[in-house]
Amino acid sequence: AQTVTQSQPEMSVQEAETVTLSCTYDTSESNYYLFWYKQPPSRQMILVIRQEAYKQQNATENRFSVNFQKAAKSFSLKISDSQLGDTAMYFCAFILGGSQGNLIFGKGTKLSVKP
Amino acid sequence: GAVVSQHPSRVICKSGTSVKIECRSLDFQATTMFWYRQFPKQSLMLMATSNEGSKATYEQGVEKDKFLINHASLTLSTLTVTSAHPEDSSFYICSARDNRLMNTEAFFGQGTRLTVV
Repeated sequence: AQTVTQSQPEMSVQEAETVTLSCTYDTSESNYYLFWYKQPPSRQMILVIRQEAYKQQNATENRFSVNFQKAAKSFSLKISDSQLGDTAMYFCAFILGGSQGNLIFGKGTKLSVKP
Repeated sequence: GAVVSQHPSRVICKSGTSVKIECRSLDFQATTMFWYRQFPKQSLMLMATSNEGSKATYEQGVEKDKFLINHASLTLSTLTVTSAHPEDSSFYICSARDNRLMNTEAFFGQGTRLTVV
């Protein structure tokens, strides 16, 4: 069975600084997708970034980038130039390629950006 | 990204009554919808998976007679909490995906905060 682990329940960062959120996963499969979702106080789940396992290049979306280490089964999220609006719960998620099932979520990391 | 609309966003009901939550995919066809429950400061807990035109598949420990799920069309799924009790108070979220496409991304509704008094 696949599992997703987020070992940092809470983190904080100063505005404009950079922060990295950790995520590890476990699977014996080679074809899968990884995601980071943001859940702000409104509780709307927002996709931040996605990574296909077959792609070696790390995904980037503006201030958000990932460090995807397939051999180590690690998928960390780096937020650069942190903004107050980045304050949220961040969930790492996994799904097998071609799966019709649900995303497997980590327990989440609560990020607080301080002014 | 695609839009999933979930209503109502908040609902308060009396103990013993039933509440229906709707989840609509607005600009794509959702062959599969997922219903989650989220307790405060916790991750999303999958309750059930529904495929259009089929009976929902419930996760272990979720009472199918209490949480009725209907997915009669490719754009609408409903979750009905029957005979609600205070312990059913929670945040419920739906997500939807078109499994006919290679893209495995799921899109989420805004969530519904249910309070049973």
